[in-house]
Amino acid sequence: KQEVTQIPAALSVPEGENLVLNCSFTDSAIYNLQWFRQDPGKGLTSLLLIQSSQREQTSGRLNASLDKSSGRSTLYIAASQPGDSATYLCAVTIDSWGKLQFGAGTQVVVTP
Amino acid sequence: EAGVTQFPSHSVIEKGQTVTLRCDPISGHDNLYWYRRVMGKEIKFLLHFVKESKQDESGMPNNRFLAERTGGTYSTLKVQPAELEDSGVYFCASSRQGGDTQYFGPGTRLTVL
Repeated sequence: KQEVTQIPAALSVPEGENLVLNCSFTDSAIYNLQWFRQDPGKGLTSLLLIQSSQREQTSGRLNASLDKSSGRSTLYIAASQPGDSATYLCAVTIDSWGKLQFGAGTQVVVTP
Repeated sequence: EAGVTQFPSHSVIEKGQTVTLRCDPISGHDNLYWYRRVMGKEIKFLLHFVKESKQDESGMPNNRFLAERTGGTYSTLKVQPAELEDSGVYFCASSRQGGDTQYFGPGTRLTVL
């Protein structure tokens, strides 16, 4: 049974520091992995999708890596800003139809 | 392009009552998913439609939950009768193809008293 874990549950950094968010999963048989951002009271916004055959994906200040064999993904956010404050969720796609299994999320606060 | 919309944004009902949640996916997205986050837990999959057909409803908690997607457009999720443990945030998501990026709606917060 697939389990997705995100550590730490919460993180506070000063503005300008790089953010490193971790996600681990127990079953390497995934189709892809997605990172989402959730702002309070809002839905989830997809940040990056990494296919199972890829090692990393980049978008602006965001970079996500995937090591399927070890069941790990890391989301890096460079030069954090207060607007990056949100909850970041990792989810793995566990079947070809797109069924997602989520981690509990990491709540990030970037202080000015 | 309009995003995924959900209605209502918040619903407060008493135990035993019925509630119907609605989701309008992005136009042209054949795949529609329902997920739920119960307080303190991870977001969990409920079911998946491809057009009007239920592809996977393995996450539906019990037969008090009924989902429909008539005509392959919007979807409804009915809870009848509601129980206290049904409280949570219900999210809808859509994608053009299975396995593609899923676009989420803002969610419906359901509170059962």
